[in-house]
Parts: sequence; structure tokens; C-alpha cells
Amino acid sequence: DSGVTQTPKHLITATGQRVTLRCSPRSGDLSVYWYQQSLDQGLQFLIQYYNGEERAKGNILERFSAQQFPDLHSELNLSSLELGDSALYFCASSAQTAGTGSYEQYFGPGTRLTVT
Amino acid sequence: ILNVEQSPQSLHVQEGDSTNFTCSFPSSNFYALHWYRWETAKSPKALFVMTLNGDEKKKGRISATLNTKEGYSYLYIKGSQPEDSATYLCAFFSNFGNEKLTFGTGTRLTIIP
Repeated sequence: DSGVTQTPKHLITATGQRVTLRCSPRSGDLSVYWYQQSLDQGLQFLIQYYNGEERAKGNILERFSAQQFPDLHSELNLSSLELGDSALYFCASSAQTAGTGSYEQYFGPGTRLTVT
Repeated sequence: ILNVEQSPQSLHVQEGDSTNFTCSFPSSNFYALHWYRWETAKSPKALFVMTLNGDEKKKGRISATLNTKEGYSYLYIKGSQPEDSATYLCAFFSNFGNEKLTFGTGTRLTIIP
């Protein structure tokens, strides 16, 4: 158990809908990362938050947004869902301070999103 | 676009044999190289984070080396056991531009009992 929690574990929804994925980092970790794992693709970085502020952005679609709250939990919002958004979404946390990559990341169990 | 490549894509190894695989990354603007182990139906778990050229790290039967000048890292597993079956991911962190980990697509290792 990494100490990172994600809810829900599974989500099935229809095209055009909006969903929210939730992540609680390990106690004390200020950095939260979101990744997407699609079929036959590697882990794709979406976005990072550090202590409530956006720190780095990957190829995140405009239909997707995220935020980190004062209690450090984070939410990833996916809207106008398309079939191609079906994927495993991971949240990870680390003790990484802003601007360094020398801290390992701890991954949550993931949320499996299926868009029908 | 940063290219992180891993080879081979998949590997079958007899139990008890040793094996190794490669991660290639850009040799410029290097900051850190991560290795993660990802078992089926679980989430990736960190093995090593390496930051210095020539670094060698070891955890039990698994070890890794790093060459930042030529842009590669090797992961070695000695005396493979069935529980070593997993996908091994490497990820590169650059000190230039967007501060993010770029993952390779992994080497899927299967140990044959």
C-alpha cells in the first residue's frame, strides 16, 4: 500500500458526460501528479500540483482540468467525455519540492474509466 | 518531445537465470532517471531514482547503472524468480523546460518456472 488513495476504483459513463476523479496523497507529500494509461500506450503525464499550485503540465486536453485543495487532496475533472478517454487514470504523490525530480513517486491504485 | 525508449519490449526468462534490459534517454539536460516496477493489476512502485553519472544502485537481486553522458541505464535482475514477473518502467526527468517525468513504454518480463 503506497499511502495514496484514489476514488472511485471504477467508473462507467456515457459519451458527453462529466466525471470527477479524486486523489488523496501520502501524508506529508505536497506534490500530486495525474497520469493517463490508455491501451497500448505508456504512462502519459497530465498535470502536477505542488501545494495547491499548478507546477507542470503535460498533454492534457482542454476538456480536462484539475485542482489541488488546501488539504492537499486533488481532483481531476474530465468533461465532454469521448470513447477515447477510456483509460486507467493514476494519481501519484511525492515529497518533491517544486523544481526537482529526484524524489520517487508513489502511485495510487488508479481509477478505471470506461466511456460507452 | 523527449524520447525515452526501453528495450526489449518483452522478455521471457527461465527461473534462476539472470537478465538485463535497457532504457535510453536524451543525454542533454539530464536531471534524474527513475525505475519503476509495475505488477499486473497493481500500481507502479519505485525501485530506484538515479541522479549521478556512473551511479549504481542495488536492492536485493535487482541493480541498476546509469550513464548520463551517453544516455542509457541498465536494469539487472540476478537469479530471476517468478515474483519478478512485471513490467519495468524507466522515466526521465529533465532540468530544462517542463518539469515532468517522461516514461518509457516498459519492458514486460515473464519468468518461466
